[in-house]
Amino acid sequence: EIVLTQSPGTLSLSPGERATLSCRASQSVSSTYLAWYQQKPGQAPRLLIYGASSRATGIPDRFSGSGSGTDFTLTISRLEPEDFAVYYCQQYGSSLTFGGGTKVEIK
Amino acid sequence: EVQLLESGGGLVQPGGSLRLSCAASGFTFNNYALSWVRQAPGKGLEWVSAISGGGGSTYYADSVTGRFTIFRDNTKNTVYLQMHSLRAEDTAVYYCAKDAVGLGTATHFDYWGQGTLVTVSS
Repeated sequence: EIVLTQSPGTLSLSPGERATLSCRASQSVSSTYLAWYQQKPGQAPRLLIYGASSRATGIPDRFSGSGSGTDFTLTISRLEPEDFAVYYCQQYGSSLTFGGGTKVEIK
Repeated sequence: EVQLLESGGGLVQPGGSLRLSCAASGFTFNNYALSWVRQAPGKGLEWVSAISGGGGSTYYADSVTGRFTIFRDNTKNTVYLQMHSLRAEDTAVYYCAKDAVGLGTATHFDYWGQGTLVTVSS
């Protein structure tokens, strides 16, 4: 099983700042089969990024994904108030697993 | 508009059984794999099971293999999760999620239901 480790656990930032979230896999994720989701309290997750770097439909371009192999990054260029949430990475190259999440909170 | 509506959650004793349902609309149901993903209270997401669009292929997480069964009725646009031998650690919100790609296996999820809570406790 591919284990995904997300860091940091919590990121404290102010609106307008840049957020950089990391997702590290225990083994290489084939064909960049990696997705990112956003989840707000009491809501279902929302797909942001798939294929490591492709934005899902309707996702603002301040969200971007990058990486390959075992190291992936989600970047939010300028945080909007609605971006404070928990973010999960998920790999689908070998079965499916999720990372433990990164909470982006208001500083 | 794609909609996924889960039902069937509730309180069940350890060792008991429960069947969850997910009624879907707004897309060509039999063209897409569907998954169940769960989230224990205050915890992260865990993929549980997936079924291909035609229903011929099923996949399970190790934690539920042999206890849970996923199946679908494409005439009713509904996917089910039959859960047996439930344990306290199965307590979670269970989400139904639609695969984004439309192939036989589960990949990533573009639509999610709002979830149904399963509580396993005596």
